[in-house]
Amino acid sequence: QLQLQESGPGLVKPSETLSLTCTVSRGSVSSSSYYWGWIRQPPGKGLEWIGSFYYSGSTYYNPSLKSRVTISVDTSKNQFSLNVNSVTAADTAVYYCLSGYSGSSVDYWGRGSLVTVSS
Amino acid sequence: QSALTQPPSASGSPGQSVTISCTGTSSDVGGYNYVSWYQQHPGKAPKLMIYEVSKRPSGVPDRFSGSKSGNTASLTVSGLQAEDEADYYCSSYAGSNSVVFGGGTELTVL
Repeated sequence: QLQLQESGPGLVKPSETLSLTCTVSRGSVSSSSYYWGWIRQPPGKGLEWIGSFYYSGSTYYNPSLKSRVTISVDTSKNQFSLNVNSVTAADTAVYYCLSGYSGSSVDYWGRGSLVTVSS
Repeated sequence: QSALTQPPSASGSPGQSVTISCTGTSSDVGGYNYVSWYQQHPGKAPKLMIYEVSKRPSGVPDRFSGSKSGNTASLTVSGLQAEDEADYYCSSYAGSNSVVFGGGTELTVL
């Protein structure tokens, strides 16, 4: 069964760039069987889809975040990454990396990584 | 792209049934049969309970069922058990390869 693990700094300063990496095990980020992506959850609040990418190379972002977000993949390390630039306190959240068989549901979740934006 | 509407809370006694609604628009819930439901216990990652409106992943008890009518989807939990107490989130495909979530419903087992 696919396993996902987020890693990255837990504290980011306002206006800087938030960077997280998701390491994939028991599966390949190059597989055409899955799609990959990120979702976040501010403390005490609901889930927000950030973006997804597919084996074909296509990447899609939440329109509300599109101008600040980049998702990239490193097939040699079996990892994919999330960058969110110009962060504010509103970007404080648990960030989950994810995977699924279809783009509309999430079958596999990482354990989540809390990122706090504060000076 | 607005969030789907869920009631903030729901409750039921052990053994009873409870239904949680998820209301969207014709651009998301009503336009596609791609509604999913997730269960989230405190401090844990969400877990997929229902996909494509009414399908259950392997391992999910058949006490959990999903349906849809127009722009509103529903999750029904039958035979409530203590371990069903959790937050539940709906999501829907919203076109242009995007997904939108509901605000979540806190289910309490009395």
